[in-house]
Order: sequence, then C-alpha cells, then structure tokens
Amino acid sequence: DADVTQTPRNRITKTGKRIMLECSQTKGHDRMYWYRQDPGLGLRLIYYSFDVKDINKGEISDGYSVSRQAQAKFSLSLESAIPNQTALYFCATSAHRGGYFDNEQFFGPGTRLTVL
Amino acid sequence: AQSVTQPDIHITVSEGASLELRCNYSYGATPYLFWYVQSPGQGLQLLLKYFSGDTLVQGIKGFEAEFKRSQSSFNLRKPSVHWSDAAEYFCAAQRAGSGNTGKLIFGQGTTLQVKP
Repeated sequence: DADVTQTPRNRITKTGKRIMLECSQTKGHDRMYWYRQDPGLGLRLIYYSFDVKDINKGEISDGYSVSRQAQAKFSLSLESAIPNQTALYFCATSAHRGGYFDNEQFFGPGTRLTVL
Repeated sequence: AQSVTQPDIHITVSEGASLELRCNYSYGATPYLFWYVQSPGQGLQLLLKYFSGDTLVQGIKGFEAEFKRSQSSFNLRKPSVHWSDAAEYFCAAQRAGSGNTGKLIFGQGTTLQVKP
C-alpha cells in the first residue's frame, strides 16, 4: 500500500463549485504539505501543517483553505473554484527532525484538477 | 528572496549519452539540496540529496550530483542515459540548520527526452 494517498486522482469541476482534495498518510509523520504544480513553474507551496493545531500559509494560499482532521489526514479545499486553479496538486509529508537535519518530504501521486 | 533556478526547460539526449541537468540556488546560507524525478502520471521520487560533507552525492538509478558552493550550483549527472530516464526533474532547496521548517522551494523543472 502507498504511504501517501490522495483522493480523487482526477477531478473535473465547474467554476464556482466547492471542492475538497484529500490526503492520507500511513508514515506516522507529523508534518504535511500541499503543493500545486503548473507547467514551467515547478511546485509551489499552498499550505503546510506541523501538527493538528499548527497550520501555516505557504506562498500561494489565496483561494484555498485546509483542514488537518488528524495527524494522518490533511485536506485542501477550494471554496469557489476558478479556472486558474486548474493544476496538478500534490500532498507531501515529512517527519520532524529538530536541529541540524534535513526533513525529507515524501509525495503522494497527485490529483489532477480541471476547473471549467 | 530564496529561489531555485533550473535554466533548461527541456533537454533531449540520445540513449547512452551522458546527461547533466543544471540547478542554481539563491539562499542566505547554503541550503539542503534535493533532486526529484517525476515520471509521467506519477508523483515525485527522491533521487538524491545533499545535506553536508562530501560534495559529490550518489543517488538512485545511477544518478549523482555535485554541490559547488562557489557557483551556488547542484547539477545532476548521469554517465549513460536510458530510455526509462525520460521524465521531469526538479531541483529543490530547504533551509538548513536549526531554522529548518521542512519547506521546500522548487525549481521550474527540466523535461528530459531520450532519443533512441
């Protein structure tokens, strides 16, 4: 079984609709992240969460909200979808390693969202 | 501002030829550095990472990368490319040291095409 799963894998929706993308992980990691990928722009951070009660905005959080329902679940919502939110969305996790260690991230398979 | 730049958007090499993908970073201090690969329809897989120490880093699938502080670069190399290496490659950076939050900043990505 995959360690980081995302549902749905593909979604087509219409402008103005509310949509939720879900991420679950079995790695036992405390940190979770949402990115969007656009051609030519790489991945950009939308939101990140260090634990259930600690949620932070990333560089492109406008138009998005998140919910950390449990340590293993982190959902991304688009309250009123617009066409320029059409993108590939990735969830990632990492374990907190304080001090002078890297915090390697592990990625889910992605959700391809199309907003018409 | 912190940034990661991959100057080459698209590279085409012949199977069996050598490969070098460029990555430059701009950070206040030397960050942790990563290379990820994304095959079509897949999530991101970590190829290798630089944390500290030896500036030549070995990764999976026969890839290596060299960290050059003087050039703020972390170029990815492979001596002989296989057709299965066709994918998109992302360089990413993470703040090093005690202030590490786990956040990654990605480059724009380089698409590798392999000719038979």
